[in-house]
Amino acid sequence: DQQVKQNSPSLSVQEGRISILNCDYTNSMFDYFLWYKKYPAEGPTFLISISSIKDKNEDGRFTVFLNKSAKHLSLHIVPSQPGDSAVYFCAASSGNTGKLIFGQGTTLQVKP
Amino acid sequence: DGGITQSPKYLFRKEGQNVTLSCEQNLNHDAMYWYRQDPGQGLRLIYYSQIVNDFQKGDIAEGYSVSREKKESFPLTVTSAQKNPTAFYLCASSIDPYNEQFFGPGTRLTVL
Repeated sequence: DQQVKQNSPSLSVQEGRISILNCDYTNSMFDYFLWYKKYPAEGPTFLISISSIKDKNEDGRFTVFLNKSAKHLSLHIVPSQPGDSAVYFCAASSGNTGKLIFGQGTTLQVKP
Repeated sequence: DGGITQSPKYLFRKEGQNVTLSCEQNLNHDAMYWYRQDPGQGLRLIYYSQIVNDFQKGDIAEGYSVSREKKESFPLTVTSAQKNPTAFYLCASSIDPYNEQFFGPGTRLTVL
């Protein structure tokens, strides 16, 4: 039972354009959502998070949008840079356990 | 420099042997976590600990054991009971269960 899904395994975007990565979840109890960036053979790097009491959070070029009714969140990267090329994971948690449920990841390629 | 260290980076083990993966953090974080990543998949939670001398099973704890005798250390033992131990293992920590988790560089375990 995949509670967090990233349905697009890969995404290719031109440098300078917007990258939009999507994530869907099924558990309505999730109240905290995060995005991580990962390079091969390295640990994930935290990018941005959002609490369920918000619908948008912004940090520089990264913005996360949360649509609770649709159980959907997205990460927007504007403008995209070649250094953004990596695997992006969304993750969700509920309550105070700190247990993160991860999606399968989306590989982003930003072409110069 | 504050951070999370995992050693070794690569580990080879013969079938039937137990092996212990190290995870140390000097961030003064209370919570620590172990995840496993398999090719093309997201991270799955093995064990987590919210405080010293206490830990909880994650989603795939069978064949693994942990200890949390010190705040800064959370070693993971992969036992011979783990059916498919070859994977990339990631340790993470957070200041508390309500905040983002920061990951170490990972250990790639290969069973020969």
